[in-house]
Amino acid sequence: GAVVSQHPSRVICKSGTSVKIECRSLDFQATTMFWYRQFPKQSLMLMATSNEGSKATYEQGVEKDKFLINHASLTLSTLTVTSAHPEDSSFYICSASLVASTDTQYFGPGTRLTVL
Amino acid sequence: QQQVKQSPQSLIVQKGGISIINCAYENTAFDYFPWYQQFPGKGPALLIAIRPDVSEKKEGRFTISFNKSAKQFSLHIMDSQPGDSATYFCAASSYFGNEKLTFGTGTRLTIIP
Repeated sequence: GAVVSQHPSRVICKSGTSVKIECRSLDFQATTMFWYRQFPKQSLMLMATSNEGSKATYEQGVEKDKFLINHASLTLSTLTVTSAHPEDSSFYICSASLVASTDTQYFGPGTRLTVL
Repeated sequence: QQQVKQSPQSLIVQKGGISIINCAYENTAFDYFPWYQQFPGKGPALLIAIRPDVSEKKEGRFTISFNKSAKQFSLHIMDSQPGDSATYFCAASSYFGNEKLTFGTGTRLTIIP
């Protein structure tokens, strides 16, 4: 149980284009989903927290107009990287917490974004 | 105050040995301390977690030791195996912090035959 999926697993795009990444909780409903960014050999940095039906809360220094987050249902959250640039190339990982156990986060497999 | 300090940065242990990774925190509001295991190119997987009301939790070969007064906690991997080679992250969160996880910097563990 508690499986989180992400799609796509890898994406390569040209500079200036937008990319959408989906995060789904497959076998549970998630009150909250989190989006992280991880650079090679570094730790996970929280970008934003999203709750179903409300606006995402962004961490300091994260541009909300560049990283658009939509949490349409209790099982789906999306991250759109708008006007992507090479410096946005990174490993993006989502996590979801169970309705009944808000502190346990289950992570997706990650999405490797490469911007050319 | 939100930081979680993790050491060592890298660790090499012989097969069958005990791997020990340590973490320290400052924020006394933290009330949940999970450990995650991450393989290259994959998302982190929850290994084991502890709350401050107990000093130790064991699941199989993995044990968390927790010292509330010292604000430290550690992961012990008994009988370490080559398949345990991965990066390990400690983390902490608090109910009043909206459950946001603060991660340690990670430890790259290598188990050698």
